[in-house]
Amino acid sequence: AQRVTQPEKLLSVFKGAPVELKCNYSYSGSPELFWYVQYSRQRLQLLLRHISRESIKGFTADLNKGETSFHLKKPFAQEEDSAMYYCALTGGGNKLTFGTGTQLKVEL
Amino acid sequence: ETGVTQSPTHLIKTRGQQVTLRCSSQSGHNTVSWYQQALGQGPQFIFQYYREEENGRGNFPPRFSGLQFPNYSSELNVNALELDDSALYLCASSLLGISSYNEQFFGPGTRLTVL
Repeated sequence: AQRVTQPEKLLSVFKGAPVELKCNYSYSGSPELFWYVQYSRQRLQLLLRHISRESIKGFTADLNKGETSFHLKKPFAQEEDSAMYYCALTGGGNKLTFGTGTQLKVEL
Repeated sequence: ETGVTQSPTHLIKTRGQQVTLRCSSQSGHNTVSWYQQALGQGPQFIFQYYREEENGRGNFPPRFSGLQFPNYSSELNVNALELDDSALYLCASSLLGISSYNEQFFGPGTRLTVL
């Protein structure tokens, strides 16, 4: 069975501090991993996917197959980063399995 | 180009009733997926429709059913509602092609409360 675990429900950091949102997964094959974000009063949207290997809004995520992790990182948190972040995976076919989400709060 | 829309925004039903939720896909998309998001949880995959046929189903009972129409809009029907069906129901559309994954665009959701 495939599973995504986000151990932190809430992560609070100060503006300018580094951010790391943790994500671990369980999947027997080679999944695709994603981070989705939901800003206040907005709909769920894709932030980044591991195969793109790109930085979006300063965020990066590296897939570590040995540790089955896909942590989301940003070196300097901004106030506008405050949002709900979901890690998700698919084994193919556009069927996403989501984690329970981490609420990121960036304090001034 | 319009995004994914869902109706109604919210509704209240009682146990045992039936409900139909609607989704209008983003222009040009041929696939729609439905997710259930209970309070404090991540979205959970219900099923997906591709070109009017069911194309995968999550761990939901048969009383959850769906339709996709030729214009790629979609319905989610839930029969014999239970209290645990109270959740936010999300619709997501995408263009399924030769890539293993194509970005899904989510609607704003329908908040269902079962009393």
